[in-house]
Amino acid sequence: DTGVSQDPRHKITKRGQNVTFRCDPISEHNRLYWYRQTLGQGPEFLTYFQNEAQLEKSRLLSDRFSAERPKGSFSTLEIQRTEQGDSAMYLCASSPDSSGNTIYFGEGSWLTVV
Amino acid sequence: GEDVEQSLFLSVREGDSSVINCTYTDSSSTYLYWYKQEPGAGLQLLTYIFSNMDMKQDQRLTVLLNKKDKHLSLRIADTQTGDSAIYFCAERGDSSYKLIFGSGTRLLVRP
Repeated sequence: DTGVSQDPRHKITKRGQNVTFRCDPISEHNRLYWYRQTLGQGPEFLTYFQNEAQLEKSRLLSDRFSAERPKGSFSTLEIQRTEQGDSAMYLCASSPDSSGNTIYFGEGSWLTVV
Repeated sequence: GEDVEQSLFLSVREGDSSVINCTYTDSSSTYLYWYKQEPGAGLQLLTYIFSNMDMKQDQRLTVLLNKKDKHLSLRIADTQTGDSAIYFCAERGDSSYKLIFGSGTRLLVRP
């Protein structure tokens, strides 16, 4: 499978716990994005990496959220002290340098905070 | 600010054509996208169009862009039951890699 891979696909956690999601982009895609999608809505942009550099961050990315891409390959999104409002699907996407127009999404990681 | 609007729901009969519409507000939008999302799944890139184009065709899909009216449409010819899904329109400007999505149009294909 050469698509964008996300793990875990589903996570149920208690309020106040920390969670971490991992994204493996398509091989050789230098650009990586995180989005959040709640029920009945379109995805909302969270952050963007060019290689290991985090170049764009949304105001949605509060202090409890942190994203990293240390070696310019896979990325992690950590949510600290989860709240019920964090329940959503977290989508990762990637695109190649040569054509940043073709942005491919993974299957998403569902988070339920109880 | 940036905003993308779509109608919520469309129902068509199998074999008919479907037309899903989208309007956007950002005049600097450079790329406009259509994605498909099936229940519980991620987004599948269907096609995108550059703002200097009026039309793009790809098999059963035809994208029309009216830049003056900031209106984008996706036509699906010979709609099949497997086309039932939520379709998202998205735009991005030339200076940003952030996609702005609409709320999605749910397409229901009746046998």
